[in-house]
Amino acid sequence: DVVLTQTPSILSATIGQSVSISCRSSQSLLDSDGNTYLYWFLQRPGQSPQRLIYLVSNLGSGVPNRFSGSGSGTDFTLKISGVEAEDLGVYYCMQATHAPYTFGAGTKLELK
Amino acid sequence: EVQLVESGGSLVQPGGSLKLSCVASGFTFSNYWMDWVRQTPGKSLEWIGEINTDGSKTNYAPSIKDRFTISRDNAKSTLYLQMSNVKSDDTAIYYCEGMGFAYWGQGTLVTVSS
Repeated sequence: DVVLTQTPSILSATIGQSVSISCRSSQSLLDSDGNTYLYWFLQRPGQSPQRLIYLVSNLGSGVPNRFSGSGSGTDFTLKISGVEAEDLGVYYCMQATHAPYTFGAGTKLELK
Repeated sequence: EVQLVESGGSLVQPGGSLKLSCVASGFTFSNYWMDWVRQTPGKSLEWIGEINTDGSKTNYAPSIKDRFTISRDNAKSTLYLQMSNVKSDDTAIYYCEGMGFAYWGQGTLVTVSS
């Protein structure tokens, strides 16, 4: 199975600060169809996961543009340019290139 | 508005069976692959499996293969997860999702305990 390693596991930030989360894969996520099926989700306390980013860098519908995704192959990054209070929660990366699809262990974003 | 509503979660004994349902609305259900994902208490997310648009093809995670079966009824816009020979490790919140992981249900809790 593909292992996704997220760092850091806990991220403390102030409102307005820009932060980044890393997601490293144990193998390349580039599919034979040319797509890279790497997603980012936010799970707020008591809620279901919400898709933020799909195919590495595409912003989900209704997602604020302070969120951005980048990377290729095995290294990926989610950046939040100016954290807002509503961004607090746990962030997960997920790959859907290789079955079984797998998630990272999560990064908890909390207020400093 | 897209909605996915799961139901069927409950307390079940080890070795028992349970069938979860997920009713979809707000989009053309028959056009999309659908997935089940679970989240164990205090832990990360685990993909369980997926089903194609007409229900003819399924893929499963090794941890549940041969015990769980995913099916769908496009006429009822409903996705199912048949769970059998359940174990304590299957205790989790079960989510259905669709449209490329864009939409998730609110989840239904399955507790496996004697």
